[in-house]
Parts: sequence; structure tokens; C-alpha cells
Amino acid sequence: ETGVTQSPTHLIKTRGQQVTLRCSSQSGHNTVSWYQQALGQGPQFIFQYYREEENGRGNFPPRFSGLQFPNYSSELNVNALELDDSALYLCASSGGPGETQYFGPGTRLLVL
Amino acid sequence: AQKVTQAQTEISVVEKEDVTLDCVYETRDTTYYLFWYKQPPSGELVFLIRRNSFDEQNEISGRYSWNFQKSTSSFNFTITASQVVDSAVYFCALSPPSYNTDKLIFGTGTRLQVFP
Repeated sequence: ETGVTQSPTHLIKTRGQQVTLRCSSQSGHNTVSWYQQALGQGPQFIFQYYREEENGRGNFPPRFSGLQFPNYSSELNVNALELDDSALYLCASSGGPGETQYFGPGTRLLVL
Repeated sequence: AQKVTQAQTEISVVEKEDVTLDCVYETRDTTYYLFWYKQPPSGELVFLIRRNSFDEQNEISGRYSWNFQKSTSSFNFTITASQVVDSAVYFCALSPPSYNTDKLIFGTGTRLQVFP
């Protein structure tokens, strides 16, 4: 096990709602990255947080936003949910930008 | 553009067979990292290996081995004497230099099924 935890494990929302996903990084790690994995696809990079600041963003709209807290845990917020947001959301922590990323178990989001 | 291609969508083998998973990447960077991750049915991505673009030495770890060939932009993964517990989806990934956006660019994965 990596020591990266995510909550909740599963979530069902309806279109238009908002959702918050949480991630606790591995002890000693100060960087958290978020990925979206649609069914049958590889994970897609959403954004990364390093020492509470956004440190790079993938090709996702602004309704995907995040936070990192002083203890380096992180939140991913998605507003105005769409059906295509249904996916496995993976969080990864690392010892710094450019270091190996270790993943949590993911949160499965279903948007109806 | 940076891209990772895993042409094999699904591979089925019988236990104890050797199997090679192919990975081809594209990048214009001279410095980069390559990775392999394993994703069992539970969903968590398990880190297997990280390789620097300047290190072309092959690596062996138990039943796992990796063949990095910069000339063909390939980073293939071989499992020797496969076991049922090796059944999973395997992802190859590319990471640009740390001065660029620090992200992993994944291929679409290869589903490996090992039958007893």
C-alpha cells in the first residue's frame, strides 16, 4: 500500500450538482496530482498542487478546481457536473515535482 | 506532441508463459522519464518502475524485466513465468522534464489475463 488515501470510494450525483473529492498524501510528500480515468482509457492529468499552489494543469475546464492544505492533503471540486464526468478519479502524491507519483485507490463517480 | 502508444489492447496467456507488453512513446524532449504501472481490478495504480531517458540499461526485478531502446522509442515490459496474480491492466507512461508541467502521460493500457 502507498499510504495515499481517498474518500469517498464511490459517489453518485446528478447532472448539474457539485462534488468534492478528498485525498490524503503519503507521509513526507508535499505534492498531489489528480487524474481522471474514463472507462477503458488511461488516466488523464487534471492538475497538480505543490506546497498549496497549483503547479500545472491539464486540458480540463475551470469547473474543475482544487485545493491543497497545509498538511498537503488535497481536494478536487467539480461544479455543474456533466454525464461525461463519470469516471474514476485518482489522486497521486510525490515527494516533489518530478518525483515518482504514488496513487491512491481512487473515487468512482457516477453522474446520472 | 507527447504521446504513449500501447498497441496491444488485450493479451491472454496460460500460467507460466512469458509475455511482453509493448510501449512506444513520442516526445521532442531529450530528458524525460518512463514508467510502468499496474492496475488490478481494485483500481489503484501500482508503481512498477521509473526509468530516466539517459539510462538505457535493461532492468530485471524478479520475474519482471524492462527493455528500454531509445533508438526505437520503446520501453517494453516482460513478465517471465506469468502467474494468475499478474492479471491486471498495465499502463506505460511518459513524464516530461520537471521544468515543464509535471504530469504523467499514459497510454491506453494493455489488459493481461493469465489463465490457470
